[in-house]
Amino acid sequence: DVKVTQSSRYLVKRTGEKVFLECVQDMDHENMFWYRQDPGLGLRLIYFSYDVKMKEKGDIPEGYSVSREKKERFSLILESASTNQTSMYLCASSFIWRDSNQPQHFGDGTRLSIL
Amino acid sequence: GENVEQHPSTLSVQEGDSAVIKCTYSDSASNYFPWYKQELGKRPQLIIDIRSNVGEKKDQRIAVTLNKTAKHFSLHITETQPEDSAVYFCAASKRNTGGFKTIFGAGTRLFVKA
Repeated sequence: DVKVTQSSRYLVKRTGEKVFLECVQDMDHENMFWYRQDPGLGLRLIYFSYDVKMKEKGDIPEGYSVSREKKERFSLILESASTNQTSMYLCASSFIWRDSNQPQHFGDGTRLSIL
Repeated sequence: GENVEQHPSTLSVQEGDSAVIKCTYSDSASNYFPWYKQELGKRPQLIIDIRSNVGEKKDQRIAVTLNKTAKHFSLHITETQPEDSAVYFCAASKRNTGGFKTIFGAGTRLFVKA
């Protein structure tokens, strides 16, 4: 069974801090994703990665960056945290088979509060 | 830009009735359409998916239909049960420059009343 693990379930940080959210998957998936989930807005894609050191912007990348130094690990970085980044953050991974996208497997989420 | 619209945002049905959730997508290059169920406090999990070369797919009480011309797809749940109560997300996915990009709808909160 695929396991996607996010480092923290709950996190409280202060405005202006640099924040790291970590995600690890154990199934050798090529694709990894970071979403934020807000009531009434669904899951909005921040960044995704399709290989080590490869990344693409999603729909709301402003204020965020990512790092993928190893295939199993995808980190989301809030360069200078602001209160409007208070949200639930979900990491997901998926594999590619015969050049087709496959279902995403999600982590449990990190509820981040910026004070 | 790319967009997935999902309706309704809230749906309340009586146990045993059917529930239908509808989505439309804007990018005609989308070719994979998964549906996820998220129970309260839990992670989203895939319940069914459909690819653009298929018009309909069924798995027990759940079915999905796709109309590529209209860029419209729907989730149908028959004989609903209280445990079907959850938030359901549709999504549309396509090949992007290097990988696959998936856009989600805003979600539908389904209540099944016993």
